[in-house]
Amino acid sequence: GDSVTQMEGPVTLSEEACLTINCTYTATGYPSLFWYVQYPGEGLQLLLKATKADDKGSNKGFEATYRKETTSFHLEKGSVQVSDSAVYFCALSRSSNYKLTFGKGTLLTVNP
Amino acid sequence: SAVISQKPSRDICQRGTSLTIQCQVDSQVTMMFWYRQQPGQSLTLIATANQGSEATYESGFVIDKFPISRPNLTFSTLTVSNMSPEDSSIYLCSAKTHSGDSYNEQFFGPGTRLTVL
Repeated sequence: GDSVTQMEGPVTLSEEACLTINCTYTATGYPSLFWYVQYPGEGLQLLLKATKADDKGSNKGFEATYRKETTSFHLEKGSVQVSDSAVYFCALSRSSNYKLTFGKGTLLTVNP
Repeated sequence: SAVISQKPSRDICQRGTSLTIQCQVDSQVTMMFWYRQQPGQSLTLIATANQGSEATYESGFVIDKFPISRPNLTFSTLTVSNMSPEDSSIYLCSAKTHSGDSYNEQFFGPGTRLTVL
């Protein structure tokens, strides 16, 4: 079945540091890929998405590229802020059933 | 996009009782889902709520424990029955819109934080 493996945290960075959270997936065909973010005390929000190979999703300075050859969708940001502190979830979905399969989540803490 | 609300936002319940969680979407949606997020864990899909028919449950989840209703295109309920402390989790509703997007974006409600004593 489908699965998502993401880098386990927690990850602690200083403000303005570079961020990479690794995500790889196992699935047949061409699923859609997502990064969701959960800020402290809040619900889940879609951060960015990509629907086909080589697509790059971007939002709020975050980027992730759909790499079919390595089955990866790593999340990157060049300069993190304290306000980026949250839990980040990588996920995939199929157009056949639209169910989301999530990774375990990575807690990011950014210190001033 | 879609705005999703859930009620209650949180509750503390006694073992053996049941709680019904409501999910309301501000627009008609094609599909609605219920997820569980246990403390410190990722989200696990409980079931797909089908409008006008029985929900489709994932492995490990059964209708007697988690009955689901979806009477129309904007509303669904999840009941957690005969609760035990192991049911303490955040329960989230999500929806996929009619937008005809080429991708499978889902929107999530704020969640219901359930504590069972």
